[in-house]
Amino acid sequence: EVQLQESGPGLVKPSQSLSLTCSVTGYSITSNYWGWIRKFPGNKMEWMGYISYSGSTSYNPSLKSRISITRDTSKNQFFLQLNSVTTEDTATYYCAKYGGYSPNWFAYWGQGTLVTVSS
Amino acid sequence: NIVLTQSPATLSVTPGESVSLSCRASQSISTSIHWYQQKSNESPRLLIKYASQSISGIPSRFSGSGSGTDFTLSINRVESEDFSIYYCQQSYSSLYTFGAGTKLELK
Repeated sequence: EVQLQESGPGLVKPSQSLSLTCSVTGYSITSNYWGWIRKFPGNKMEWMGYISYSGSTSYNPSLKSRISITRDTSKNQFFLQLNSVTTEDTATYYCAKYGGYSPNWFAYWGQGTLVTVSS
Repeated sequence: NIVLTQSPATLSVTPGESVSLSCRASQSISTSIHWYQQKSNESPRLLIKYASQSISGIPSRFSGSGSGTDFTLSINRVESEDFSIYYCQQSYSSLYTFGAGTKLELK
């Protein structure tokens, strides 16, 4: 069974970088596509970006200058880094596995991790 | 960006009622719409893909329909475990977007 687990600091100071890890079991990240999605207070959901089986990436243009998604295939983990955070980046962050052979729908999700940006 | 507008924002029902949730796209997206359920303090769960395709393990009371710009998630005879938030998501554009959600609550 595919399982995803987010980890990282729950509190980040404004202007610093947010760094999260998604640990995957039951499926290799060298197959398929893997994404990050966040849910803001008030329930708005935003797709942030993905990393493919080959390591290529795609990002939401609204974040393009601040976001980086990378991976460590030896640990079967992928990572999110978001730079220069503000209080508006306070959200629950989810990692997810796309279903199918191309990035369309999200078949599996992590349990989510709340990140608060505050001084 | 493709904007998805979900309505109503909140739907109050009693168990046993059948309901329809709407998702309207700002441009035609064929059938590239997917539906998720998110219960309180849980992660989203995929219910329907490509507007009407069922997902293994999802109860048959959930069904989807529509194409172009108008889509519907139907729940036949709502059960108590169905009270949660429902989101639609489009994959027609590689800038994936979600609707704002419809909260299904107990009347």
